Amino acid sequence: QKEVEQNSGPLSVPEGAIASLNCTYSDRVSQSFFWYRQYSGKSPELIMSIYSNGDKEDGRFTAQLNKASQYVSLLIRDSQPSDSATYLCAAVGGATNKLIFGTGTLLAVQP
Amino acid sequence: DTGVSQDPRHKITKRGQNVTFRCDPISEHNRLYWYRQTLGQGPEFLTYFQNEAQLEKSRLLSDRFSAERPKGSFSTLEIQRTEQGDSAMYLCASSLGGWGARNSPLHFGNGTRLTVT
Repeated sequence: QKEVEQNSGPLSVPEGAIASLNCTYSDRVSQSFFWYRQYSGKSPELIMSIYSNGDKEDGRFTAQLNKASQYVSLLIRDSQPSDSATYLCAAVGGATNKLIFGTGTLLAVQP
Repeated sequence: DTGVSQDPRHKITKRGQNVTFRCDPISEHNRLYWYRQTLGQGPEFLTYFQNEAQLEKSRLLSDRFSAERPKGSFSTLEIQRTEQGDSAMYLCASSLGGWGARNSPLHFGNGTRLTVT
């Protein structure tokens, strides 16, 4: 099992809907968790971090962490076409305790 | 805070040539990281520095790759005898504290896209 796994998508949602992005992780990563947004040809941009079980909200974004089930998710409310991007899940861990990324999920918000 | 700066943005080189990339981190950040990203994949860790000390190198970093951060400020990544498989986006990031420490996330530069022909 990879340390951080994501469905590559694409995930297509209509404008105004809630987009739900999911990420699972292995026992080898168990510390801090991050969501990065990456537009095509651009670098990753941090949008959310979460460190403890439960929900964390920031504007239209909510990150959810469930350590018992080893998943972390990102909800985007009122999705906009400008949210169309690849969303990368990342976690700290592994043999040498570094930031490890998933392959990313491509989100397409349809106008 | 002007963000992480990388130069050049794009580099096209012929196989066998050497290339060097530069990264200027956010000024107060003492940690600097290099990642590589290929199409459809997430960034893969290459190496990182704490101030001027290179603390870890990935198995991905063959002996053709070398990175330096001589004064604990900017960093360079050199690839010698480039191969077509080196074609990728090379990303630099910096942070104030340790990996994923609270209030110390990694901030990425815009990357250098390398194409080896």
